[in-house]
Amino acid sequence: DAGVIQSPRHEVTEMGQEVTLRCKPISGHDYLFWYRQTMMRGLELLIYFNNNVPIDDSGMPEDRFSAKMPNASFSTLKIQPSEPRDSAVYFCASSFGSVETQYFGPGTRLLVL
Amino acid sequence: DQQVKQNSPSLSVQEGRISILNCDYTNSMFDYFLWYKKYPAEGPTFLISISSIKDKNEDGRFTVFLNKSAKHLSLHIVPSQPGDSAVYFCAASEGGANNLFFGTGTRLTVIP
Repeated sequence: DAGVIQSPRHEVTEMGQEVTLRCKPISGHDYLFWYRQTMMRGLELLIYFNNNVPIDDSGMPEDRFSAKMPNASFSTLKIQPSEPRDSAVYFCASSFGSVETQYFGPGTRLLVL
Repeated sequence: DQQVKQNSPSLSVQEGRISILNCDYTNSMFDYFLWYKKYPAEGPTFLISISSIKDKNEDGRFTVFLNKSAKHLSLHIVPSQPGDSAVYFCAASEGGANNLFFGTGTRLTVIP
C-alpha cells in the first residue's frame, strides 16, 4: 500500500493567494483527518470526515479555511486568501474506525510570504 | 487552550540509557492515550497506546505509564538507540471519539 499521499510536499505562495492542499487516504479507510503543525501549538486537528461527511470542523481557524471530500479517495484543504500566519506543516491522516490506527501522510510544508 | 501538554521541548540521552518523555493532560474525560513518533520530513507514526483502565503498557523497549490521579503519562525507552532520535507526540482521546488531541512534541536526541 502506498500510504497516505499528500501534494504538494512544499508550497510557497504570497499573501492573498489561494492555496489548495490535496490528500489521498489509504484505500478502504473510512476516516480522514486534516491537522496543522506549528511550534507553538503542536499538532492541531482542523477537521475530520467519516465516510466523506464532515463530522467535526471546530478546529478550522476561520472562514478562510475550507475542506471537502468529494469521494472516498480524495480530499482537499483550501485556504483563501492565505496569510503569513497560515505558514505551517499540514498533515492528512486516515484510519479505519480506530483512533490508534491513524496513518499520517508526509505533510505539506506551506510558507506564505 | 492546550489540553495535552509536553513541557519539555527537547531531551538528550546517551545511547544505552533510559529516555523518559513526559506528558500532562487537563481533561479528566480522556480515556485513551497514544504516543506517536515523527522523523523529519515524514508524518507521525503510531508507537504505543494505553487505555485508562490500565496503568502500564509495554511493547519491547517502549513502556507507557499512566497516572490518572496526576493526569500524567510517560514514555520510557530502554535502552535508547540512536535510531530513536525523533520528535515524540503524546495524544489523547475522549470516550471513543475519533479525534485526537496532541501535545506540542518532545525532540529526543540519542547520542551515540
